[in-house]
Amino acid sequence: GIQVEQSPPDLILQEGANSTLRCNFSDSVNNLQWFHQNPWGQLINLFYIPSGTKQNGRLSATTVATERYSLLYISSSQTTDSGVYFCAVRGRGSTLGRLYFGRGTQLTVWP
Amino acid sequence: AAGVIQSPRHLIKEKRETATLKCYPIPRHDTVYWYQQGPGQDPQFLISFYEKMQSDKGSIPDRFSAQQFSDYHSELNMSSLELGDSALYFCASSQGASGPLTADTQYFGPGTRLTVL
Repeated sequence: GIQVEQSPPDLILQEGANSTLRCNFSDSVNNLQWFHQNPWGQLINLFYIPSGTKQNGRLSATTVATERYSLLYISSSQTTDSGVYFCAVRGRGSTLGRLYFGRGTQLTVWP
Repeated sequence: AAGVIQSPRHLIKEKRETATLKCYPIPRHDTVYWYQQGPGQDPQFLISFYEKMQSDKGSIPDRFSAQQFSDYHSELNMSSLELGDSALYFCASSQGASGPLTADTQYFGPGTRLTVL
């Protein structure tokens, strides 16, 4: 299956700081999603972004499909941003729907 | 907006018991996926269904089975439970205009946290 690598594995920030999370994938994709897993375990959809750039409030994401990476930007971080951020992809060559997840970035935002 | 519903949210079982997890997809979504997330791990794909037919199968133990019903809800049946089955089980759904090959968003439910004692 397709390999997904996320960096950094851990990130500790002060409230108000900005951050960039990276997701590299090993093959062409037709689906890339960013999720936030909150401390209660819920997986919250942030972006569906197999290519291009999207913004939603303090969050934005860019996927450069030709270079096989995606970036998630968090600006003016808040304590409620804490949790694990997952990138998940489906290979373009895949005829099936499963998502392959990276191992996540654990973000901790201190007040 | 309606979301994916999973029940129960928490389940505690003894070893060798059975468990049934239920998933109700977003209305008009025809594809359901099941994922398992162990402690400190990323979600791993188990199985999926499109229009009530199994469409893909991942690393799902033979002790587990699943199906999708005529109303599109799905159930994951787990037998002879082991300690290692303790995990968060997610169901996701998507709307595939032409089947599961379509690149579309998967929406995840809140998960069922299974604890096997």
